[in-house]
Amino acid sequence: SQKIEQNSEALNIQEGKTATLTCNYTNYSPAYLQWYRQDPGRGPVFLLLIRENEKEKRKERLKVTFDTTLKQSLFHITASQPADSATYLCAPLAGSARQLTFGSGTQLTVLP
Amino acid sequence: DAGVTQSPTHLIKTRGQQVTLRCSPKSGHDTVSWYQQALGQGPQFIFQYYEEEERQRGNFPDRFSGHQFPNYSSELNVNALLLGDSALYLCASRGRANTEAFFGQGTRLTVV
Repeated sequence: SQKIEQNSEALNIQEGKTATLTCNYTNYSPAYLQWYRQDPGRGPVFLLLIRENEKEKRKERLKVTFDTTLKQSLFHITASQPADSATYLCAPLAGSARQLTFGSGTQLTVLP
Repeated sequence: DAGVTQSPTHLIKTRGQQVTLRCSPKSGHDTVSWYQQALGQGPQFIFQYYEEEERQRGNFPDRFSGHQFPNYSSELNVNALLLGDSALYLCASRGRANTEAFFGQGTRLTVV
């Protein structure tokens, strides 16, 4: 069955450092991969989408990579700030799929 | 643009009761999906509605049912509530051409 794994442990980093979050998937051939941010008690907010033919995508301080050989996506936040503290969810999406399937998320805390 | 709105924000029900949750999609969106999110987990897909019909369904029992109205708003109904149904219920909307999903703030359901 399809499986999505994100960093199993919560991630604590110091302000100003780069945070790197991992999303691994198995039994999947996603055409896209999306990343969402979720704050406590709130709905997820879309951040970035990367397609299978794109190796890397950037948006401001965010960078996402997509390696279909390794079946992995990495999500980087550079120059991290305490306001970046949240749970980050990845969602690989097959081309024909209409619904999102999420990983369990990685809780990131940026320490001042 | 109000975005995706859900009501109520919080709800407490007794085991065995029935509950109805409501969702208004973002303006211009015609596809609505419902997700259940337990504490510490990623959102789990329940079902998706488009053109007033259930188009896809996740691994949820028939106690979970839904409806979409001509104005694209949607309801999620859960019958015979169990303690394990306690969760954050999220509604997401998207347009036909987009894969990016916009989420509401969720309804926190507590079953006692």
